[in-house]
Amino acid sequence: KQEVTQIPAALSVPEGENLVLNCSFTDSAIYNLQWFRQDPGKGLTSLLLIQSSQREQTSGRLNASLDKSSGRSTLYIAASQPGDSATYLCAVTNDYKLSFGAGTTVTVRA
Amino acid sequence: NAGVTQTPKFQVLKTGQSMTLQCAQDMNHEYMSWYRQDPGMGLRLIHYSVGAGITDQGEVPNGYNVSRSTTEDFPLRLLSAAPSQTSVYFCASGIWRQETQYFGPGTRLLVL
Repeated sequence: KQEVTQIPAALSVPEGENLVLNCSFTDSAIYNLQWFRQDPGKGLTSLLLIQSSQREQTSGRLNASLDKSSGRSTLYIAASQPGDSATYLCAVTNDYKLSFGAGTTVTVRA
Repeated sequence: NAGVTQTPKFQVLKTGQSMTLQCAQDMNHEYMSWYRQDPGMGLRLIHYSVGAGITDQGEVPNGYNVSRSTTEDFPLRLLSAAPSQTSVYFCASGIWRQETQYFGPGTRLLVL
């Protein structure tokens, strides 16, 4: 059974600092890995998707890396802003399902 | 293009009652799924469908039924609600393996 772990569970940083969010998974036979953002009381918004053959994806201030062999992914958010405050979820794809981590709740202090 | 829509947004049930959570998408996606989200836990898959007429169980299917008569709709039925089913329910759709999954806004369910 795929287990996905996200560390830390919560993170508080001052505005402008870079954010580093970690995700690990136990079964490396994945099709892809996705990072989502969830605002309080809202649904999930896709941030980045990395196919299993890729090593990283970038979108604006966001960069995600994938090391399938070691079962790890890292999401980097450069120059954080208060608007980045949210919960970030990592999910890996096996067969016909997404397996999610419990998320990292980020607070960016102005 | 409304994306993935879910109704209702919030529902209170009594133990033993039944209800249907509605999910619809207008992106012509073959794959649709239902997840539940509980505090401190990741989203867990309840049921999924890879096309009209095809459904299968996910990780936590007990107490829930689904059907897929059209590509657009994927309702989730609670047969006899229990307090353990208090949760936030998300529906998602997408092109499996090729792109991200699109999530609806969720339905908050409270079972008393």
